Amino acid sequence: DQQVKQNSPSLSVQEGRISILNCDYTNSMFDYFLWYKKYPAEGPTFLISISSIKDKNEDGRFTVFLNKSAKHLSLHIVPSQPGDSAVYFCAASGILTGGGNKLTFGTGTQLKVEL
Amino acid sequence: ETGVTQTPRHLVMGMTNKKSLKCEQHLGHNAMYWYKQSAKKPLELMFVYNFKEQTENNSVPSRFSPECPNSSHLFLHLHTLQPEDSALYLCASSQDRSLNTEAFFGQGTRLTVV
Repeated sequence: DQQVKQNSPSLSVQEGRISILNCDYTNSMFDYFLWYKKYPAEGPTFLISISSIKDKNEDGRFTVFLNKSAKHLSLHIVPSQPGDSAVYFCAASGILTGGGNKLTFGTGTQLKVEL
Repeated sequence: ETGVTQTPRHLVMGMTNKKSLKCEQHLGHNAMYWYKQSAKKPLELMFVYNFKEQTENNSVPSRFSPECPNSSHLFLHLHTLQPEDSALYLCASSQDRSLNTEAFFGQGTRLTVV
């Protein structure tokens, strides 16, 4: 049973326009969410996060929105640039009893920003 | 030099071989993780170590054996693997805090079991 879902495996956007990547989760116990970006042959790179006490977090061109009642979050990239082309993973974090965090990932969305 | 370094980057091994994956972090973190990414599947947590102690084993088969000699190093010992164990194995680290925090990943080891 997948607790974090990214229903769009791919997204194509023109350079300069807005990219919107979506993510849904089922476990209402999740209270911290993250977006990671992954280029081929590299590990995931942390992009931006949001705590459940907020509904928006902004960092430069990247904004994450959280709708707790709908169990939905989205990542907005504006303006989109060709270098943003990558796979984007949504993740939900839970604190482990013994320490550390457990990240539950979605399957990813391949973003392609075209010239 | 990246914060989390994994070696080797690629590994091909037979089902009867024994090999080890190595991970080293230079971020001063206290928690280290092994994740697995199989084709068409999300990243799955395998093991968590916090201050060198294992705090999570996500029902991983015993043919995968982790070792954490100190907070900066993490190993994954592999023995008698199956072809379906072929995947990208990612190491990560994070600060140990009572609050959630982001994890930083290495570049991964692409493992092929033949």
